[in-house]
Amino acid sequence: TQLLEQSPQFLSIQEGENLTVYCNSSSVFSSLQWYRQEPGEGPVLLVTVVTGGEVKKLKRLTFQFGDARKDSSLHITAAQPGDTGLYLCAGGDYKLSFGAGTTVTVRA
Amino acid sequence: EADIYQTPRYLVIGTGKKITLECSQTMGHDKMYWYQQDPGMELHLIHYSYGVNSTEKGDLSSESTVSRIRTEHFPLTLESARPSHTSQYLCASSPFRTPNTEAFFGQGTRLTVV
Repeated sequence: TQLLEQSPQFLSIQEGENLTVYCNSSSVFSSLQWYRQEPGEGPVLLVTVVTGGEVKKLKRLTFQFGDARKDSSLHITAAQPGDTGLYLCAGGDYKLSFGAGTTVTVRA
Repeated sequence: EADIYQTPRYLVIGTGKKITLECSQTMGHDKMYWYQQDPGMELHLIHYSYGVNSTEKGDLSSESTVSRIRTEHFPLTLESARPSHTSQYLCASSPFRTPNTEAFFGQGTRLTVV
């Protein structure tokens, strides 16, 4: 089983601040996905990163895949209350496994 | 928008009852998954399937069973529900291609066993 570790577990920031969430593994992944989940709902895919060193931007969200394809990060610029949620990374070619997630709270 | 549906959305049931959680997708995806998640906690993979007549156990041991008789349908059954089965159950599907194995999730079934 390829394990994914996310940090920090919880993050509470003020609106307008920046934040970074990390996803690390000792295994190499062919791709990693980032999802966001709101209470009572299923996770929704934000992005898939495939190439080592790849950087993808989705509005105020920036995703990076490590050169060795063992880690990834999610950076949010000027966070807004609407960014509040559980952020999950996931990977695996044959069975999709998830990290424990980072609960992000953005205070107005 | 993903076309994957779970029913029921909420279920409260007594100990010892047999239950089946339904999951259907209309995207023609080969891969399907069941995850168990407690509120605000991580998703634990309990079952997955590569396609029709294929079922595999996930990372977390579960007393539930699954079947995959049709591509679009992946039901999960508990023969005798117990309070320890109280949790949210999430179904997902993904197309069978690598490396982009992104999954599309249903809204989940919140199960409470009393």
